[in-house]
Amino acid sequence: QKEVEQNSGPLSVPEGAIASLNCTYSDRGSQSFFWYRQYSGKSPELIMSIYSNGDKEDGRFTAQLNKASQYVSLLIRDSQPSDSATYLCAVFNQAGTALIFGKGTTLSVSS
Amino acid sequence: ETGVTQSPTHLIKTRGQQVTLRCSSQSGHNTVSWYQQALGQGPQFIFQYYREEENGRGNFPPRFSGLQFPNYSSELNVNALELDDSALYLCASAGVDNEQFFGPGTRLTVL
Repeated sequence: QKEVEQNSGPLSVPEGAIASLNCTYSDRGSQSFFWYRQYSGKSPELIMSIYSNGDKEDGRFTAQLNKASQYVSLLIRDSQPSDSATYLCAVFNQAGTALIFGKGTTLSVSS
Repeated sequence: ETGVTQSPTHLIKTRGQQVTLRCSSQSGHNTVSWYQQALGQGPQFIFQYYREEENGRGNFPPRFSGLQFPNYSSELNVNALELDDSALYLCASAGVDNEQFFGPGTRLTVL
């Protein structure tokens, strides 16, 4: 059974701080990795994709991938109260048809 | 560009009934995937359709079935509803880059 693991949280950070969200996956053959943000009662929203080892930056978000350690992370700089949400890590299966999701990490940013 | 849409928004059914959920893909997307998200969990892959053919299936029983139409819209049908089928049902469409974008979801309650 292919798995994606995340700490459920809640992760609490003050406004302006860096939030660090972590994810590990079990399928060493996985090639595509995604972070989705999900506000309470809403559907997941794609915020980052990463396919190669290293860092990928988009605005206040940085995704980091280490395939050797089977580890993906998301850093949110200058955290805002509007960043308070559940962050879902997702990995494609090797066929590239199904996203396998973690249970999500709940982030709370206090002002 | 039109995003992914789903209908209905909410639905209440009783055990043993049948339900049909509908999804319209984002413009230019020819792949549609369906996911089930129980409360407090990450989405679980049900199946994917590509050019009107089922292209992958998760660990769901045959009473979960689907269709994709020539305009790339899709339906999810669930027969013989069970209490555990109560969940948020999410449709996601993808284009050539295979990044999946979710619709707003249909909240199904089975009584």
